[in-house]
Amino acid sequence: GENVEQHPSTLSVQEGDSAVIKCTYSDSASNYFPWYKQELGKRPQLIIDIRSNVGEKKDQRIAVTLNKTAKHFSLHITETQPEDSAVYFCAATGAAGNKLTFGGGTRVLVKP
Amino acid sequence: NAGVMQNPRHLVRRRGQEARLRCSPMKGHSHVYWYRQLPEEGLKFMVYLQKENIIDESGMPKERFSAEFPKEGPSILRIQQVVRGDSAAYFCASSRIADTEAFFGQGTRLTVV
Repeated sequence: GENVEQHPSTLSVQEGDSAVIKCTYSDSASNYFPWYKQELGKRPQLIIDIRSNVGEKKDQRIAVTLNKTAKHFSLHITETQPEDSAVYFCAATGAAGNKLTFGGGTRVLVKP
Repeated sequence: NAGVMQNPRHLVRRRGQEARLRCSPMKGHSHVYWYRQLPEEGLKFMVYLQKENIIDESGMPKERFSAEFPKEGPSILRIQQVVRGDSAAYFCASSRIADTEAFFGQGTRLTVV
């Protein structure tokens, strides 16, 4: 089955700096890679996703890149703000019948 | 279109009792996933269901845990004879088809006393 590794487990950045979170996956058949943000005590919320036929996707201050050959994908947050502080999870899923597999999470702290 | 609805939000059970957690997926979604999350930890996959079918239950303990998603009504995660180690947040997510956006419910926080 799919295995997703996520690094780092914690990330502390100064407000205004960039944050980068990296994930690797094991199943070359995986074709959909979402990212979720979870604030304390709340549900995980989808913030951006990418499919295997696309190398990069941007949405305002958030971007995701995918390298299918190397089987890794990354989340980039630019101009970080205190409200970006949360736990971020990457995930991967493949063909129909495959579950959504999550990485272990990255706790991001943006210091004002 | 209401989001994924889970109830109850909080559930307290004594050791040995049964816990029933309910999840109503978003309208038009036929895929449901259940995840367990311990405090300060990640989302651990439990079971993946489609209407009336269990697709993958590889993350669910073989004893005491069961799940269903009937043709009519919500998906149910059932935990029999609960133990303290079952205390966690249980999240349900739904998607329209397998490899599309999955949206999470607010979770059920189970406390076993």
